[in-house]
Amino acid sequence: ETGVTQSPTHLIKTRGQQVTLRCSSQSGHNTVSWYQQALGQGPQFIFQYYREEENGRGNFPPRFSGLQFPNYSSELNVNALELDDSALYLCASSLGGRGAETQYFGPGTRLLVL
Amino acid sequence: SQQGEEDPQALSIQEGENATMNCSYKTSINNLQWYRQNSGRGLVHLILIRSNEREKHSGRLRVTLDTSKKSSSLLITASRAADTASYFCATDDGNAGNMLTFGGGTRLMVKP
Repeated sequence: ETGVTQSPTHLIKTRGQQVTLRCSSQSGHNTVSWYQQALGQGPQFIFQYYREEENGRGNFPPRFSGLQFPNYSSELNVNALELDDSALYLCASSLGGRGAETQYFGPGTRLLVL
Repeated sequence: SQQGEEDPQALSIQEGENATMNCSYKTSINNLQWYRQNSGRGLVHLILIRSNEREKHSGRLRVTLDTSKKSSSLLITASRAADTASYFCATDDGNAGNMLTFGGGTRLMVKP
């Protein structure tokens, strides 16, 4: 157990809908990263939040957006869902900075878009 | 895009044998990490090796890093059925944040 929790565990949506996924970081961690993992592939970096500010973004369109709250929990929002958005969404928390690069992953939210 | 490429993509061995997985990457890195994933769930951090280190051990795990060849290997000794999982290497290039770039993974099956 990493102490990182995600909700919901599973979700089914239809194309064009919007979804919000949630992540609670490990106690004391101020950095949250989000990854998308398609079936049979490695995780792909979506973006990272550090102290409530976006601190890096991968190659994902603007319809993927996020928030980090003062308690360092985070949300991932995806608008105008597409079939290819079906994936396991993972969040990871870390302390950030040199010497604290290890990321602690939650169990993921599995999203199915029909 | 994926930075690392694992080799082999799949590996099947008997319990007690050693398992070796290799990872190649493309750009300079700050550190390289190995993660394990069971049945499509969350990733578990195994080991981190920095760019100025060549070898690291943790229990039955041994990781090597060759920055001149941009490659790393993970050795699991005396494998157990419980080691059955997917293993991913991930690189951190030390730029803004600690963004990890993952490879495609090696699916390891250890037969009892």
